[in-house]
Amino acid sequence: EAGVVQSPRYKIIEKKQPVAFWCNPISGHNTLYWYRQNLGQGPELLIRYENEEAVDDSQLPKDRFSAERLKGVDSTLKIQPAELGDSAVYLCASSPPRIAGGRWGTDTQYFGPGTRLTVL
Amino acid sequence: GDSVTQMEGPVTLSEEAFLTINCTYTATGYPSLFWYVQYPGEGLQLLLKATKADDKGSNKGFEATYRKETTSFHLEKGSVQVSDSAVYFCALSDPDYGGSQGNLIFGKGTKLSVKP
Repeated sequence: EAGVVQSPRYKIIEKKQPVAFWCNPISGHNTLYWYRQNLGQGPELLIRYENEEAVDDSQLPKDRFSAERLKGVDSTLKIQPAELGDSAVYLCASSPPRIAGGRWGTDTQYFGPGTRLTVL
Repeated sequence: GDSVTQMEGPVTLSEEAFLTINCTYTATGYPSLFWYVQYPGEGLQLLLKATKADDKGSNKGFEATYRKETTSFHLEKGSVQVSDSAVYFCALSDPDYGGSQGNLIFGKGTKLSVKP
């Protein structure tokens, strides 16, 4: 079974430039997450999708960040314009459909390798 | 709000030493608890999990027990190997945390280095 695929793996840009990250989740996984991991910190959620719907984007800085998940499969996260403080690793994760009657939050999230963004 | 606190690193051990990485949490409801591991150059992968109080998660010789009374989920391994060198993250998912059910909240990570 293929894992979560992300591209690019590394990206170096000048500040004020736009940048986009792409994620393809594991086949059959309807929930997709984007996290940001700053150096020496744990990942922090940016946005969560259930199929095509963004069900939690409360931590997404909407003035410069946007995301989409057309057709409920792969997803793109965009930053425009990038700032120096956006340098981080951007992680995508996916999880399978929740079992009917099952508790929220018990499912394993499967992470991709991440995209390391450096803003100069 | 919900949070996870884990011991500061780095932790350096000799091969075959006993490992404990402490993790405590604060949660609104009754969370599920996870340990994720990040090997050098790789993405995060689940090491083990426990979804209710007194459950013990185990994998690859690692164990952690969900202790509701002390709000803890300490990671242990009886004999570490060089190949266990990685960053370990404790995390929770709180089903009662407003609209964020299912989201993972991570600790800052603990870097483990095992010397031969």
